[in-house]
Amino acid sequence: RKEVEQDPGPFNVPEGATVAFNCTYSNSASQSFFWYRQDCRKEPKLLMSVYSSGNEDGRFTAQLNRASQYISLLIRDSKLSDSATYLCVVNGGGSYIPTFGRGTSLIVHP
Amino acid sequence: EPEVTQTPSHQVTQMGQEVILRCVPISNHLYFYWYRQILGQKVEFLVSFYNNEISEKSEIFDDQFSVERPDGSNFTLKIRSTKLEDSAMYFCASSELDRNQPQHFGDGTRLSIL
Repeated sequence: RKEVEQDPGPFNVPEGATVAFNCTYSNSASQSFFWYRQDCRKEPKLLMSVYSSGNEDGRFTAQLNRASQYISLLIRDSKLSDSATYLCVVNGGGSYIPTFGRGTSLIVHP
Repeated sequence: EPEVTQTPSHQVTQMGQEVILRCVPISNHLYFYWYRQILGQKVEFLVSFYNNEISEKSEIFDDQFSVERPDGSNFTLKIRSTKLEDSAMYFCASSELDRNQPQHFGDGTRLSIL
């Protein structure tokens, strides 16, 4: 039983494109949700928290759909520097053991 | 911007030896964590620590593992008798007030067991 699932990709997009990733989770009582990015052999870096009302940070928009148990990340106007693996993290709901997805690989090409 | 620091960046150890990985969390953070990431695999939670005791631990965190906050700044992960399968990247993280807040990660220690 996979608790947090992500499409591993890779998503291969040109600069300027809009790309969206989804992440599904199995524990309906989960309480907090995050997107991190991870560059090759580096640490995860927090991209944004995900709130029920949805939130935006510049070119990045995150949404939470509790009814369908998924979160999403939308990246507009992709840059070459957005190339990375995007990790979905789900926490809470019975225990506070943060669960990471395997990540979605994004490659932005010129 | 304050950051989590980890030492060493790379540790090479013979199988069966003890190893201690060190972390200095962000100074006003209250929750501390250890994770591992085997090459090519996902980040896996090991343990969380609050108020000088373990608050959660995963199945991976067996009797071979221990954590300690020996002073007001360091947070350590000890592996008593390393195995080949302990080879991985180990990340320390901290969060500010509660376990639902985002965590900030150190840049990791690459542990290689020979």
